[in-house]
Amino acid sequence: ETGVTQSPTHLIKTRGQQVTLRCSSQSGHNTVSWYQQALGQGPQFIFQYYREEENGRGNFPPRFSGLQFPNYSSELNVNALELDDSALYLCASSLSTDTQYFGPGTRLTVL
Amino acid sequence: AQSVTQLGSHVSVSEGALVLLRCNYSSSVPPYLFWYVQYPNQGLQLLLKYTSAATLVKGINGFEAEFKKSETSFHLTKPSAHMSDAAEYFCAVSGNFGNEKLTFGTGTRLTIIP
Repeated sequence: ETGVTQSPTHLIKTRGQQVTLRCSSQSGHNTVSWYQQALGQGPQFIFQYYREEENGRGNFPPRFSGLQFPNYSSELNVNALELDDSALYLCASSLSTDTQYFGPGTRLTVL
Repeated sequence: AQSVTQLGSHVSVSEGALVLLRCNYSSSVPPYLFWYVQYPNQGLQLLLKYTSAATLVKGINGFEAEFKKSETSFHLTKPSAHMSDAAEYFCAVSGNFGNEKLTFGTGTRLTIIP
């Protein structure tokens, strides 16, 4: 148990819809990173938030956006869903320069 | 730019045999290296990490890995496999500031034969 929680566990959406995924970081951690893991692949970095500011972004289109709140929890928003967005979305929390600890993930299915 | 190559998408070993999972990295800066394990329908659990201290790193569940700069490798080993080791294993690299983005390999699925 890392103390990182994500909700919901599973989600089914249709193409064109919007989705919001949530992550609560481990107590005391000020940094949250989001990753997308397609079936049979390794996780791909989406973006990172440090103290409510975006602190790095991977090769994902602008329809992937995020927020970090004062309590360091975070949201990942995806607009105009596409079939290829079906994946496991992982959140990882950390303290500044320390190791990233992952939550259990949210499985998103886009039909 | 950083990348990781995991050789062998599937590895099968007998219970009690040596486990060897291979990882080679590429990095333009001194790297931090990680091994994570993923059980079915779960997130990633940190097994061990290399952060430029000792080159032989010991992790949880009896796993260890050795950083070899000359070979750009960070292979994961365990002397004796257990049925509970069956899972997907990911090698990852980041820059040496610790909290930088992780770049993962494609993973190795480990099967343990009874």
